[in-house]
Amino acid sequence: DTEVTQTPKHLVMGMTNKKSLKCEQHMGHRAMYWYKQKAKKPPELMFVYSYEKLSINESVPSRFSPECPNSSLLNLHLHALQPEDSALYLCASSPTGLAVTYEQYFGPGTRLTVT
Amino acid sequence: GQNIDQPTEMTATEGAIVQINCTYQTSGFNGLFWYQQHAGEAPTFLSYNVLDGLEEKGRFSSFLSRSKGYSYLLLKELQMKDSASYLCAVMDSNYQLIWGAGTKLIIKP
Repeated sequence: DTEVTQTPKHLVMGMTNKKSLKCEQHMGHRAMYWYKQKAKKPPELMFVYSYEKLSINESVPSRFSPECPNSSLLNLHLHALQPEDSALYLCASSPTGLAVTYEQYFGPGTRLTVT
Repeated sequence: GQNIDQPTEMTATEGAIVQINCTYQTSGFNGLFWYQQHAGEAPTFLSYNVLDGLEEKGRFSSFLSRSKGYSYLLLKELQMKDSASYLCAVMDSNYQLIWGAGTKLIIKP
């Protein structure tokens, strides 16, 4: 299994809803990432988990809450989002933790629309 | 500050060769990556350079000059499916990826 999977593919939610994005990889990778990408912009790092511990939080608003239940799973819990949070949310993984250079493998993304 | 520059858009003809340039200024350097991203899809890894020189992988090659803060991605025998955005990203001294804005490559028949 050499892929990162994400569910759902598309999500429409109101500003008062609570929803979660899920990411899974079975490649034994020890670092997992959440990125946000707006149209025609590069990915913007949100969170990094290394060995199941939150290593980097790029000053993301608290309405986004990450969770890493185990080494294969990564969740992003969403609450009270704003329309400007509409974007493609990408999950990625890499073989080892931080402080080592490896390429990141990206999932297909969740297209989120906040109404 | 950290900065990565690449052209916004390039156009090339099917079967031809195109070179996409990337210049960078980052706090430290732990390697340079090129990713391909089709519209609405996730980025996919193309190449990685950490030492000066050319890395060849089939129709794609990537070059790095650390002293000049410069890299290029060379695509040969262009195919219509190569129409995509090409993202240059540098891993800085904190092992964080700094991304360029991407180059949209349009291939014409």
